[in-house]
Amino acid sequence: DARVTQTPRDKVTEMGQEVTMRCQPILGHNTVFWYRQTMMQGLELLAYFRNRAPLDDSGMPKDRFSAEMPDATLATLKIQPSEPRDSAVYFCASGLPGQGEGYTFGSGTRLTVV
Amino acid sequence: SQQGEEDPQALSIQEGENATMNCSYKTSINNLQWYRQNSGRGLVHLILIRSNEREKHSGRLRVTLDTSKKSSSLLITASRAADTASYFCATDAVTDSWGKLQFGAGTQVVVTP
Repeated sequence: DARVTQTPRDKVTEMGQEVTMRCQPILGHNTVFWYRQTMMQGLELLAYFRNRAPLDDSGMPKDRFSAEMPDATLATLKIQPSEPRDSAVYFCASGLPGQGEGYTFGSGTRLTVV
Repeated sequence: SQQGEEDPQALSIQEGENATMNCSYKTSINNLQWYRQNSGRGLVHLILIRSNEREKHSGRLRVTLDTSKKSSSLLITASRAADTASYFCATDAVTDSWGKLQFGAGTQVVVTP
């Protein structure tokens, strides 16, 4: 089965450090999402792309977060500088809207900022 | 902001029983989707129902959609211990960018043997 691959699986970093999370979407999927999950806020949509173009990043703190798709096989989410409140599980998902199928999620990156 | 709200927040049942959870949403939708999540990792897509559909089945899952009430339900029949997970509804709203998916808070289901 095709899968969405996220790296790293776990990341512990000190406050103030830069963090980069990577996602390899499923080949052929034209829509890629970044979500953040915490106990308090649940699943929050941070950003999403269609055909590599950013469509909506209104859920993302602009001062420290950035999301890009340098090519069709790679999406990145960067936090600089990181803060303890950024601790969460970050999910990438990809799909083809309008095909009657849902989206495929990666296993997530568990980020802990100390 | 979250579009969908699941009810109940938590559900505990015994194997063999049916589990029903509900989702209410606020604005018109293109489709509504249900996902399952085990142990805080990787959501798995279960079923998608379009706004012009009223009911859909997949194995032991049955989803209904009532657009007049802006609500959906997920029924799991003959539940198994392996069904223990969190279940989320997600909406693709008409007012949002096409394909944008927003999730509710989820229902935590525990199935005891």
